Amino acid sequence: QSALTQPRSVSGSPGQSVTISCTGTSSDVGAYDYVSWYQQHPGKAPKLMIYDVTRRPSGVPDRFSGSKSGNTASLTISGLQAEDEADYYCCSYGGSYTFALFGGGTKLTVL
Amino acid sequence: EVQLVESGGGSVQPGRSLRLSCAASGFTFDAYAMHWVRQAPGKGLEWVSGISWNSDNIAYADSVKGRFTISRDNARNSLYLQMNSLRPEDTALYYCARDQTSKFDHWGQGTQVSVSS
Repeated sequence: QSALTQPRSVSGSPGQSVTISCTGTSSDVGAYDYVSWYQQHPGKAPKLMIYDVTRRPSGVPDRFSGSKSGNTASLTISGLQAEDEADYYCCSYGGSYTFALFGGGTKLTVL
Repeated sequence: EVQLVESGGGSVQPGRSLRLSCAASGFTFDAYAMHWVRQAPGKGLEWVSGISWNSDNIAYADSVKGRFTISRDNARNSLYLQMNSLRPEDTALYYCARDQTSKFDHWGQGTQVSVSS
């Protein structure tokens, strides 16, 4: 199966909102409510930010939110802060044999 | 505190083998499925393989199927990845990750694998 499709980069000014899209197919994103999002700063391990499409782990600011429509999931970050600058990856459950599909990653730049 | 510590990476020639290990602590290891996820230099994340808590269910990405074998030893709180017939395209940082119901909620810091002649 092919990776999920994300924009290569997005940017926004402090305090603004940005949305990162993640497009899959009816066999992955569209089939399951198991979409998660990960934040990765340079040289660091990924960190879970959103799971089950819309849920936030404890400790993740409520500025981060997730949604899904059809085969496309989205991550919205509101009230952008400098520390939000990072790479973001979406991930979808793909079934028993292709457990997880990742997006190609989106680099968020805070201007 | 949940900790995942990978080891076993290194530099090898194409066609050779490596065995990665992931030592888990701070949680009940045998209650969770576990996975390997890799990241090639400057590239994105790629799921490699996963194993259920009791090893009954195992899955591999097509890119490694037939060459890599995932296993675990619950008595030792350890996860393994046996990598055979390594190729240059297997060069990556390999992460061990805990599966909390179809999400990777904890990650190790990774172990580097380089395959070149």
